[in-house]
Amino acid sequence: GAGVSQSPRYKVTKRGQDVALRCDPISGHVSLYWYRQALGQGPEFLTYFNYEAQQDKSGLPNDRFSAERPEGSISTLTIQRTEQRDSAMYRCASSSPGLAGGEQYFGPGTRLTVT
Amino acid sequence: AQSVTQLDSQVPVFEEAPVELRCNYSSSVSVYLFWYVQYPNQGLQLLLKYLSGSTLVKGINGFEAEFNKSQTSFHLRKPSVHISDTAEYFCAVGLFSGGYNKLIFGAGTRLAVHP
Repeated sequence: GAGVSQSPRYKVTKRGQDVALRCDPISGHVSLYWYRQALGQGPEFLTYFNYEAQQDKSGLPNDRFSAERPEGSISTLTIQRTEQRDSAMYRCASSSPGLAGGEQYFGPGTRLTVT
Repeated sequence: AQSVTQLDSQVPVFEEAPVELRCNYSSSVSVYLFWYVQYPNQGLQLLLKYLSGSTLVKGINGFEAEFNKSQTSFHLRKPSVHISDTAEYFCAVGLFSGGYNKLIFGAGTRLAVHP
């Protein structure tokens, strides 16, 4: 079956522009996570959705970052007024809920470059 | 606060040699521990996990890891590596609360297997 998909795979944008990154989780997975990975670092948690409810947004760095999952499936991470420091790999993961050891399945990521 | 330290940023090794990738964590609560692998241009893939029970955990591709509570370590080992094991490896702590698992990652170790 299909895994987690993300689009676009690469995005180059100018400073000050808004960008929207898309994540399509594995069918039936109600848990969805967004992570950000700077060059040379491990992924860093941004936000978590249970179905359409955003239950944890503690990792979003500031109010330029927002995420939604209106129908409990596809999610969009939006960055407004992008800055060069936003350049990173943005990763999405999905999983089955309720299990401590539940595996998070990661997508290939979107490489964002802000010029 | 929870954190993960991967002690080696790069590990070069010859094919068929043994390898150990080191991981130390700090946490004030019970944790779940994971190792993920990232092959070039792919998403993160779960290698193995420790939730409870036996401290020696076996994963895919011949990898294993040992949980050592007194040393707060979770080192990854393989007795004989292949060229195809060349990848980046991430150790992570899972903070399970409210039905979801927030992963805290280390900075990663790049394993380079040479012929």
